[in-house]
Amino acid sequence: GESVGLHLPTLSVQEGDNSIINCAYSNSASDYFIWYKQESGKGPQFIIDIRSNMDKRQGQRVTVLLNKTVKHLSLQIAATQPGDSAVYFCAENIRGAQKLVFGQGTRLTINP
Amino acid sequence: ETGVTQSPTHLIKTRGQQVTLRCSSQSGHNTVSWYQQALGQGPQFIFQYYREEENGRGNFPPRFSGLQFPNYSSELNVNALELDDSALYLCASSSPGGSETQYFGPGTRLLVL
Repeated sequence: GESVGLHLPTLSVQEGDNSIINCAYSNSASDYFIWYKQESGKGPQFIIDIRSNMDKRQGQRVTVLLNKTVKHLSLQIAATQPGDSAVYFCAENIRGAQKLVFGQGTRLTINP
Repeated sequence: ETGVTQSPTHLIKTRGQQVTLRCSSQSGHNTVSWYQQALGQGPQFIFQYYREEENGRGNFPPRFSGLQFPNYSSELNVNALELDDSALYLCASSSPGGSETQYFGPGTRLLVL
């Protein structure tokens, strides 16, 4: 079946440290993955995406890693800042489908 | 460039009533998707509209319906509201015919009493 899950529901890191948020997916037909950040009272904000023909993609302070062998996705945030505190969702697009399938989310808290 | 906008921001209804939520897509985007996000959960796909027609639907009953207009804006209608319909309703737009990078609006918070 299709499902996107997260290994850790909550994560706390010290400001300035790096954080890693993990995500497992189950549908081998998924060919596109997105990380979203959702702050309280707001809609999900696009962070970074990766296609299934890649295993790594970097943005500003963020890196997404994709391991298709074990169906695992991770989001690395470097030098975390207070503004990084939010819930982070991974989402997958199943080839040929119109929808994104979201996981439950990980709440990231940055401690001063 | 104008992002995705939604109205209203908050809404309170009672069981059995009907509600209409509205969404304006991001400039240049002609595909609109609707999601329901219960508290503490990830968004769940309701349906997508492309070229004014439904282009995919999730596991939601027929009392959830939608429209897309020539200017690509969209409406989500929910009839016979139930308590479990209380959620954040998100609209996302994407570029022509796509279901990939979807950009979300701020959502409408619906409370059914």
